[in-house]
Amino acid sequence: DIQMTQSPSSLSASIGDRVTITCRASQSISFYLNWYQQKPGKAPRLLINAASNLQSGVPSRFSGSGSGTDFTLTISSLQPEDYATYYCQQSYSTPHTFGRGTNLEIK
Amino acid sequence: EVQLVESGGGLVKPGGSLRLSCTASGFTLGSYSMNWVRQAPGKGLEWVSSISSSGGYIYYADSVRGRFTISRDNAANSLYLQMNNLRAEDTAVYYCARDEGPRITGTPLYWGQGTLVTVSS
Repeated sequence: DIQMTQSPSSLSASIGDRVTITCRASQSISFYLNWYQQKPGKAPRLLINAASNLQSGVPSRFSGSGSGTDFTLTISSLQPEDYATYYCQQSYSTPHTFGRGTNLEIK
Repeated sequence: EVQLVESGGGLVKPGGSLRLSCTASGFTLGSYSMNWVRQAPGKGLEWVSSISSSGGYIYYADSVRGRFTISRDNAANSLYLQMNNLRAEDTAVYYCARDEGPRITGTPLYWGQGTLVTVSS
């Protein structure tokens, strides 16, 4: 199985900050990497698929990059509604494993 | 509007069975592959199972293979997860999620709100 390692596991940041979350796969997954946002008590929301493809309706301050084994999710200017937990997930092969999540908190 | 509504969760004893349902609306279920993803209380997301649009391709996580069965009834706009021989570690919110298209891509785009399964004596 492909292991997905996210870092950091938690992060404190202020409104307007630039935030970067990283995700590393245990083997090459090409660009088959998704990013999700989840708020407490809610279902996950797909933000980015195929490493860098922003989903419709997702603000342009979110961006994704990377290929192979190393990927990043960047929020260019943090907004109040961005405080949530973020997960990466590989869609290269089954099982479609998720990272353990990054809890983004208000500083 | 795409809507997915899960039902069938509840409290069950270890070794027991439960059948989850997911009712789809706002799109033609038969045109999309579907997934079940779960989340234990306070924990991260875990992919459970996927089924292609026609049901011809099915995959399971090792943790549930042999105990869980995914199925679908496209005419009834419904997805199912039959869970047998339940264990305490199966306690989680179970989400039904729609893929991007008929093939299994592992990219759930639309999610239901989830149904809680609690396995406890």
